[in-house]
Amino acid sequence: TQLLEQSPQFLSIQEGENLTVYCNSSSVFSSLQWYRQEPGEGPVLLVTVVTGGEVKKLKRLTFQFGDARKDSSLHITAAQPGDTGLYLCAGEAYSGAGSYQLTFGKGTKLSVIP
Amino acid sequence: DAGVTQSPTHLIKTRGQQVTLRCSPKSGHDTVSWYQQALGQGPQFIFQYYEEEERQRGNFPDRFSGHQFPNYSSELNVNALLLGDSALYLCASSLGNFQETQYFGPGTRLLVL
Repeated sequence: TQLLEQSPQFLSIQEGENLTVYCNSSSVFSSLQWYRQEPGEGPVLLVTVVTGGEVKKLKRLTFQFGDARKDSSLHITAAQPGDTGLYLCAGEAYSGAGSYQLTFGKGTKLSVIP
Repeated sequence: DAGVTQSPTHLIKTRGQQVTLRCSPKSGHDTVSWYQQALGQGPQFIFQYYEEEERQRGNFPDRFSGHQFPNYSSELNVNALLLGDSALYLCASSLGNFQETQYFGPGTRLLVL
């Protein structure tokens, strides 16, 4: 069973602060995805990282995939109240029969206080 | 272009009852996956349907079953409901049996009393 550990579980910060969320596993993934989920809605894909060591930037969000493709981080610069939500990482691995399966972490619940 | 839609949005059942949840995939998508998200947890994979067949399954009991129709829409059925089945049930659609992005619906919130 592949497990993804996310930390911290909860994070409450002031507007303008920086933060980093971590996603760790002992398993190797073919890719790792980050989602953001708001209450009452399904997760929305933010980014997919595929190559070990890859860094992707999405405005104030920076995503990094570890060299060994077992871990990832999400860094938010100058957080804004609109960044509030549940951030989920999900590792993708081949599960046979030509299909891939997503394994999700438990998520990091971020609150940005104005 | 309609995204993934799910019905109903909310549902209340009692223990022992049966429930059917429905999902319509994003236009052009032919693969549907179902996830269970308990409160405070990340989504857990239940199963995936492609070409009207269950292609893979997560660690869920046989009480959880599904179906995919020729128009690619899908149903999730849960029999003999338990209190622990209370959760948000998410449907995600994607294209083909390749490594493609999954798009999630808003979910159905099931409460079992």
